[in-house]
Amino acid sequence: EAGVTQFPSHSVIEKGQTVTLRCDPISGHDNLYWYRRVMGKEIKFLLHFVKESKQDESGMPNNRFLAERTGGTYSTLKVQPAELEDSGVYFCASSQEPGLANVPGQKSSYNEQFFGPGTRLTVL
Amino acid sequence: DAKTTQPPSMDCAEGRAANLPCNHSTISGNEYVYWYRQIHSQGPQYIIHGLKNNETNEMASLIITEDRKSSTLILPHATLRDTAVYYCIVRANAGGTSYGKLTFGQGTILTVHP
Repeated sequence: EAGVTQFPSHSVIEKGQTVTLRCDPISGHDNLYWYRRVMGKEIKFLLHFVKESKQDESGMPNNRFLAERTGGTYSTLKVQPAELEDSGVYFCASSQEPGLANVPGQKSSYNEQFFGPGTRLTVL
Repeated sequence: DAKTTQPPSMDCAEGRAANLPCNHSTISGNEYVYWYRQIHSQGPQYIIHGLKNNETNEMASLIITEDRKSSTLILPHATLRDTAVYYCIVRANAGGTSYGKLTFGQGTILTVHP
């Protein structure tokens, strides 16, 4: 079974340009997450899709970031216009049912988030 | 903000057990403890999780204290490939809008040496 894939693996753009990152989750996973690590900082949550709906977008830093998941399959994260501080590694993850952690006996492949390899974004 | 505290780094000899501690003194009754790791240049990888009972899988064991304020991840026979950053994460239960997200802290850099 294919894992979470992300494209591109690396992107180098100039300040003010637009970049679109793509994430393909594991087939059948309704939940899709975006995270990022900027230089020297911790991995930070950006947002969470359940199918095509945004469940939680509390981590999106500002309105230069737009995430979409039309049709509930792959997702894109667009940064427009890119700024220097947007440089970092953007991770995507997917899972089945995150809300089943409290079901007695329910073991957790449902809750496990599978991460992609990340997209390294450099803004010059 | 992360709700856990971990030592910044630890060393372990290859073949020995690696015991990674984590403090989560403010954990709520319905929050789980999750462990992930990130090997250099890869995405984070799930290891194990638990609520209050000790758990074991093919990768590791998780020991949670009775008061649930701390836990220990045990890699029983560490190999060089286990060198990674290990993250202890307290995760919200289902319900509310933010139950899915993982809140990463600084983690523990585990170095396994020959």
